[in-house]
Amino acid sequence: DAGVIQSPRHEVTEMGQEVTLRCKPISGHDYLFWYRQTMMRGLELLIYFNNNVPIDDSGMPEDRFSAKMPNASFSTLKIQPSEPRDSAVYFCASSLTGSLNEQYFGPGTRLTVT
Amino acid sequence: GENVEQHPSTLSVQEGDSAVIKCTYSDSASNYFPWYKQELGKRPQLIIDIRSNVGEKKDQRIAVTLNKTAKHFSLHITETQPEDSAVYFCAATSSNYKLTFGKGTLLTVNP
Repeated sequence: DAGVIQSPRHEVTEMGQEVTLRCKPISGHDYLFWYRQTMMRGLELLIYFNNNVPIDDSGMPEDRFSAKMPNASFSTLKIQPSEPRDSAVYFCASSLTGSLNEQYFGPGTRLTVT
Repeated sequence: GENVEQHPSTLSVQEGDSAVIKCTYSDSASNYFPWYKQELGKRPQLIIDIRSNVGEKKDQRIAVTLNKTAKHFSLHITETQPEDSAVYFCAATSSNYKLTFGKGTLLTVNP
């Protein structure tokens, strides 16, 4: 298996633009997580899905952030409009049994909003 | 929600020495405690984990201990090597099934 796949790996955009991050989880994993990593706040859980259904989105910082999982092999995290404080590394992770076993992280997307 | 505190934030040791990283958690119902290693520019990867019904677990040079009463757990790395240099994160899964990470410890092993 190729592991968790994320695209793009790097994204530079201007404030106010829409940004879409993409994730393909490991086949057979029922849980998908979106995290944000910054120096100040560390690794923060934004939202997670179980069987394509959003279970907890309490970590989503604002209405500007939205996430979808239309099928078991694809998820998106969208920021609209983007702001400089959204600059961070965004990780997608997947697991077989939620947060009670290993989560496999993707390589991350480094987002820079100027 | 769960709060995970991690100390120290940076740790520098000589090759061959031991390193200890400590974490505390707030939710007494937390029952799963993984440790992740993140090398510079890379993704976090699980190195060891422990569940609440176990007090200690060892895997070669790394070990984790858990004290449920005190709500703290620790990572021990023996015979450190330069390739152990990385950021280490502790984490805890609380009663709401969410994984909360500590702020990380930057470990530097000097040759």
